[in-house]
Amino acid sequence: GENVEQHPSTLSVQEGDSAVIKCTYSDSASNYFPWYKQELGKRPQLIIDIRSNVGEKKDQRIAVTLNKTAKHFSLHITETQPEDSAVYFCAASWDAGNMLTFGGGTRLMVKP
Amino acid sequence: DADVTQTPRNRITKTGKRIMLECSQTKGHDRMYWYRQDPGLGLRLIYYSFDVKDINKGEISDGYSVSRQAQAKFSLSLESAIPNQTALYFCATSDSDDSVLFFGSGTQLSVL
Repeated sequence: GENVEQHPSTLSVQEGDSAVIKCTYSDSASNYFPWYKQELGKRPQLIIDIRSNVGEKKDQRIAVTLNKTAKHFSLHITETQPEDSAVYFCAASWDAGNMLTFGGGTRLMVKP
Repeated sequence: DADVTQTPRNRITKTGKRIMLECSQTKGHDRMYWYRQDPGLGLRLIYYSFDVKDINKGEISDGYSVSRQAQAKFSLSLESAIPNQTALYFCATSDSDDSVLFFGSGTQLSVL
């Protein structure tokens, strides 16, 4: 089955700096890669996703890049703000409507 | 608002007790899931159900059972709770042709 590894497990940045979280996956058939954000004491929520037919997707300060050859994808957050502090999870599946496999999570701390 | 509701929010129990966690949804989704969250281990799938008559084991189903009482209701049971089942449990739903997960607020379970 699919295996998703996520690094780093914790990340601390200064407000205004950029943050990058990386994930690798094992199943070359995977073609859907979402990112979920979980604020302290809250439920995980989808923030952005990418499908294998594109290499990059942006939404305001967040972007996701995908390298299918290397089987890795990354979340980029620019101009970080304190409200970006949360746990971020990457995930992968081999098609829309199929099961997601999650990475272990990254705790991002943005220091004011 | 259409939502995913979990009860109880918190539960403390003793080793050997039977526990049931309940989940209901008003999203009209066919698919429902139970995940377990432990620090550093991300979200691990316990059981999932693609419709009322469909029940499937996830990666960590030992020690757990589920019941899909209706399209909108999916309960998780621990037949004989043990301390290493202490964790945060999330119910989630998704539409049948989409991998996007909508999570409940979670149940923090402590087994003493």
